Amino acid sequence: QKEVEQDPGPLSVPEGAIVSLNCTYSNSAFQYFMWYRQYSRKGPELLMYTYSSGNKEDGRFTAQVDKSSKYISLFIRDSQPSDSATYLCAPWGRGAQKLVFGQGTRLTINP
Amino acid sequence: GAGVSQTPSNKVTEKGKYVELRCDPISGHTALYWYRQSLGQGPEFLIYFQGTGAADDSGLPNDRFFAVRPEGSVSTLKIQRTERGDSAVYLCASSPDRGSGTQYFGPGTRLLVL
Repeated sequence: QKEVEQDPGPLSVPEGAIVSLNCTYSNSAFQYFMWYRQYSRKGPELLMYTYSSGNKEDGRFTAQVDKSSKYISLFIRDSQPSDSATYLCAPWGRGAQKLVFGQGTRLTINP
Repeated sequence: GAGVSQTPSNKVTEKGKYVELRCDPISGHTALYWYRQSLGQGPEFLIYFQGTGAADDSGLPNDRFFAVRPEGSVSTLKIQRTERGDSAVYLCASSPDRGSGTQYFGPGTRLLVL
């Protein structure tokens, strides 16, 4: 079993839709849950992160973590064509030296 | 300010050749990471530097891969006797602190081994 599992998609939705992206993980030592966004032929960029369980909102984006079920979600409201990218979840534990990435979900928002 | 830069952006080589990939981190960032990303996959950790020393090289797949950061800034990833399976995008990232989940990535070097 991989340390981080992510639905690979691809996912294609119309503009304005609510998007739900999800990951599961196996290592209970993870404390920070990062979401990176990667545009085509670019490096990943940090979108947002949460610490421990709970929700965090940043504009149209909401990150949610349930540590009891080891489940991570990212919701995008009022999706825009500019949101079309690959979204990578990457849990991280303090003291760890590396990010452990999921496979990435390729998202396309159709105008 | 300038972000992480990587050169070359693309590299085509023949099986068995030696290649060097360069990373210029953000100025002042002490931590530097190398990852490898295959098509349709997330980045996979290779090596982490804190300053000049390799603090964690557990992700290097075999002894054909080696990386250095002699002055604590620029880093070079070196691959000997390249194989077709080495074809991937090699990503470099840096962060200002020791072992941070907030990492700043370069655009990557696309390596193709023929």
